[in-house]
Amino acid sequence: GAGVSQSPSNKVTEKGKDVELRCDPISGHTALYWYRQSLGQGLEFLIYFQGNSAPDKSGLPSDRFSAERTGGSVSTLTIQRTQQEDSAVYLCASSSETGSYEQYFGPGTRLTVT
Amino acid sequence: AQSVTQLGSHVSVSEGALVLLRCNYSSSVPPYLFWYVQYPNQGLQLLLKYTSAATLVKGINGFEAEFKKSETSFHLTKPSAHMSDAAEYFCAVSHTGANSKLTFGKGITLSVRP
Repeated sequence: GAGVSQSPSNKVTEKGKDVELRCDPISGHTALYWYRQSLGQGLEFLIYFQGNSAPDKSGLPSDRFSAERTGGSVSTLTIQRTQQEDSAVYLCASSSETGSYEQYFGPGTRLTVT
Repeated sequence: AQSVTQLGSHVSVSEGALVLLRCNYSSSVPPYLFWYVQYPNQGLQLLLKYTSAATLVKGINGFEAEFKKSETSFHLTKPSAHMSDAAEYFCAVSHTGANSKLTFGKGITLSVRP
């Protein structure tokens, strides 16, 4: 079946612009996660959704970062007033609620802020 | 708080040689541990997971790992390296198990020499 998909695959934006990154989880997966992968910081957790609610937002680095999930499916990560330090690969993962513990990752969106 | 340590950033082995990638964890509660592999320009793929069942865990592509509580370790091994094993490997710990964020190590790049 279809895996986790993310769009766009690459995004180049100018400093100060807003960007939206999209994640389509595996159908039926209720849990959705956003992570960020950068050279300096490695892989970092950003936010976790269970259904449409986000019980854990502890990894969002600043109030410029926000995310939402609608219909228990698609999620959008928004970065406002982008900075050069936001340049990274943003990874989305999903998992089912049956306790398999496995998170399935998408290919990521590479964000470059110039 | 949980954390993962992967010593070194790069390991190089000859084709057919033993692969050993080290991972040590710190956790205040019984951990759930994972090894993920990332090929260039791709997302993360689960190799294997420890979820408090058997301490020797077998995964895909001939990899296995052993959970040693006394050493707080979860090292990844493969008896005979293949060229196709060249990738980046991440060890991760889950905070509470199912539907829980992952905390990753810094990752280790494995190179395989012909």
